[in-house]
Amino acid sequence: QQQVKQSPQSLIVQKGGISIINCAYENTAFDYFPWYQQFPGKGPALLIAIRPDVSEKKEGRFTISFNKSAKQFSLHIMDSQPGDSATYFCAAEGYSTLTFGKGTMLLVSP
Amino acid sequence: NAGVMQNPRHLVRRRGQEARLRCSPMKGHSHVYWYRQLPEEGLKFMVYLQKENIIDESGMPKERFSAEFPKEGPSILRIQQVVRGDSAAYFCASSRNSGATYEQYFGPGTRLTVT
Repeated sequence: QQQVKQSPQSLIVQKGGISIINCAYENTAFDYFPWYQQFPGKGPALLIAIRPDVSEKKEGRFTISFNKSAKQFSLHIMDSQPGDSATYFCAAEGYSTLTFGKGTMLLVSP
Repeated sequence: NAGVMQNPRHLVRRRGQEARLRCSPMKGHSHVYWYRQLPEEGLKFMVYLQKENIIDESGMPKERFSAEFPKEGPSILRIQQVVRGDSAAYFCASSRNSGATYEQYFGPGTRLTVT
């Protein structure tokens, strides 16, 4: 049973546009929600993370929006750049282990 | 401060052989996690260890797979009698402590191919 659902599976955005990736979770025991960025052949790199006591967190061009009642959270990448082209994974942490979404392959066209 | 180190980066094994994957956590980190990533899939939790202790192995297959994190040296994920379905990328992550306060940092992974 998939506990973290991520959409879309793939996304094409023009340079300068906004990339939006959505995730939904089921388990209310999750208490930490990180996003990871992964380039081909590399390990996932922590991008930004949020805890459920806040509704939004912004770091540079990256923003997480969190809706606790709906059990949903999303990643917004403002002014998307070709260098942002990668696979993005949302995750949820509970009991010290991470449950990942299936990933979104983002392509930012020049 | 060196990141999480994994070796080998690529490993090819024939069916029935053993695979040993190594992970050295970041300096100051005493918690290690192993995840498996199949093609086109997200990462799946396998096992969580602290020094000399397995804390949670709920994601690890009951047979052929084992993990350890000795007092000295790297954490080892061991797969005995490998089968083609074991072909995947195996990632190790480490954290300074457990719980939502401490982020997990990932290594570059070991890509296992079973022929």
